[in-house]
Amino acid sequence: DGGITQSPKYLFRKEGQNVTLSCEQNLNHDAMYWYRQDPGQGLRLIYYSQIVNDFQKGDIAEGYSVSREKKESFPLTVTSAQKNPTAFYLCASSPSIMDSPLHFGNGTRLTVT
Amino acid sequence: QKEVEQNSGPLSVPEGAIASLNCTYSDRGSQSFFWYRQYSGKSPELIMFIYSNGDKEDGRFTAQLNKASQYVSLLIRDSQPSDSATYLCAVANAGGTSYGKLTFGQGTILTVHP
Repeated sequence: DGGITQSPKYLFRKEGQNVTLSCEQNLNHDAMYWYRQDPGQGLRLIYYSQIVNDFQKGDIAEGYSVSREKKESFPLTVTSAQKNPTAFYLCASSPSIMDSPLHFGNGTRLTVT
Repeated sequence: QKEVEQNSGPLSVPEGAIASLNCTYSDRGSQSFFWYRQYSGKSPELIMFIYSNGDKEDGRFTAQLNKASQYVSLLIRDSQPSDSATYLCAVANAGGTSYGKLTFGQGTILTVHP
């Protein structure tokens, strides 16, 4: 079955540590995205990528970094510069960047103490 | 900054009733609109999308779009307890550097009680 796999489901880190969240898709989608969701909030776009080796900042990119070395993979690193990293992180993909419905992974819940 | 506004609720309806969820958006040129359902602790799943003014029906769900009023709604007929979830409205941005990307509302919590 095609889909998006995010791992791990839960992640715990100490403040000051960088952490990388994994996202892999086998839908052959060109576009991939990272969103952050806080309790009672909608989704906020962190980074997105339209093609391999290219990515763009979203609305809240500060303290995050990404790479897109393969079409299938779009890992997100939460750096120590991110002031409030505890959140629910969602990876998504779509056939293209234009007006396409998003397919979401199951999410990673990151807790930093 | 493009804005998408939803009443956060909670909206409580009895089983079997019609639930009406509303969304307004600021980007007048937006052409594509999406409704997602999100159960607690889970990721969003697409329910419907609508591109043209008017109504679009899919089973118990009807999406309504009025571009002149910058308003999109989702009606759920014969509401069931399993419909209890947060409903997210998403709008594709019309221009500039954000073209095509989705802006999400904060979501409306729906509770269907037996």
